[in-house]
Amino acid sequence: EDQVTQSPEALRLQEGESSSLNCSYTVSGLRGLFWYRQDPGKGPEFLFTLYSAGEEKEKERLKATLTKKESFLHITAPKPEDSATYLCAVQAAGGGTSYGKLTFGQGTILTVHP
Amino acid sequence: DTGVSQNPRHKITKRGQNVTFRCDPISEHNRLYWYRQTLGQGPEFLTYFQNEAQLEKSRLLSDRFSAERPKGSFSTLEIQRTEQGDSAMYLCASSRTGSGANVLTFGAGSRLTVL
Repeated sequence: EDQVTQSPEALRLQEGESSSLNCSYTVSGLRGLFWYRQDPGKGPEFLFTLYSAGEEKEKERLKATLTKKESFLHITAPKPEDSATYLCAVQAAGGGTSYGKLTFGQGTILTVHP
Repeated sequence: DTGVSQNPRHKITKRGQNVTFRCDPISEHNRLYWYRQTLGQGPEFLTYFQNEAQLEKSRLLSDRFSAERPKGSFSTLEIQRTEQGDSAMYLCASSRTGSGANVLTFGAGSRLTVL
């Protein structure tokens, strides 16, 4: 069974204090690893897809990296508006019907104080 | 493109009642997904449609749950004889086929509270 574990469960940072969120996964063949951001009362919002170990993607203050067992979401000089829950999910390789069937972690709640 | 629309946004019901949620996906997306999210947890996959065909269902989807997507457009998720354990956020997502097929766009969700 595919599993995703995120750590820490909650992270409090001061504005400008860089840090990283971890996503450890076990999957029967990785098709893709996804990072989503979720604000309170809203649905998850897509950030990145990573497909193979060594791949990196960046968007503004966020950078996602991938190894064979885990992914990191690095946040550089965060601002209060980066406060949200960050979700990691994996998509297993397999038949065509597995598209969009994601296994999510429990999320990391990030709070950035001004 | 107005995104994925879900209605109602909030539903409070008594145990044993039936409830129905509606999802209108992005118009050019032919894949539609239902997920359930409880407090402090990530979303869990429930079911998936390609056009009007329901191609996969999670074992989380008990016999009290039924989903439809007539004509491959909007979808409904019905829960019969609701139980307190059904209280959750029900998220709908859609995606296209081909390039970008695995990128899901989520709606804001329908929050169910069963008293």
